[in-house]
Amino acid sequence: AQSVTQPDIHITVSEGASLELRCNYSYGATPYLFWYVQSPGQGLQLLLKYFSGDTLVQGIKGFEAEFKRSQSSFNLRKPSVHWSDAAEYFCAVGAGDYKLSFGAGTTVTVRA
Amino acid sequence: NAGVTQTPKFQVLKTGQSMTLQCAQDMNHEYMSWYRQDPGMGLRLIHYSVGAGITDQGEVPNGYNVSRSTTEDFPLRLLSAAPSQTSVYFCASSYSRGQGHEQYFGPGTRLTVT
Repeated sequence: AQSVTQPDIHITVSEGASLELRCNYSYGATPYLFWYVQSPGQGLQLLLKYFSGDTLVQGIKGFEAEFKRSQSSFNLRKPSVHWSDAAEYFCAVGAGDYKLSFGAGTTVTVRA
Repeated sequence: NAGVTQTPKFQVLKTGQSMTLQCAQDMNHEYMSWYRQDPGMGLRLIHYSVGAGITDQGEVPNGYNVSRSTTEDFPLRLLSAAPSQTSVYFCASSYSRGQGHEQYFGPGTRLTVT
């Protein structure tokens, strides 16, 4: 079965600074990988996804993520954060059976 | 399209009561699922369905029942509510496998069991 680890529970970043959120997965084959964002009191919104091909994927809101098979990682990055990026971020991995496994999430706080 | 809708948004139950959380989608998705979200634990899969008439258990199914009589609806039933079921519940749906299981989430139901 697949699993996901998000090592950072909470990250604080200054507005305008860069952001990187870590995600490590465990799965025997090439996984489907996702990053979701959840604003307070809201549902989950898909930021980006990786299925195959180019290992650097672009998403919405200026986010990107890089799939590194050798490191079993799918880290999320943004060059310059905005106050509206304060939210909880979830990495998820899917196999071939529709089910997704989610990480525990990383809460991002943006300070002025 | 309304996407994935869930009702109610908030619910308070007493221990031992039963209730049904409603979920509907209008995207003709085959796959639907229920998750619960608890602090520090991410989302955990309760039950899922790959089509009308087909359901299966996820990671944390105990205390919950589901059925899928139509493509659009996937209700979650709490049989006898317990305080441990206090959580935020999300319903999700997705396309067929060719889309890589990108899941679309509803807004959630916040349930408190006292």
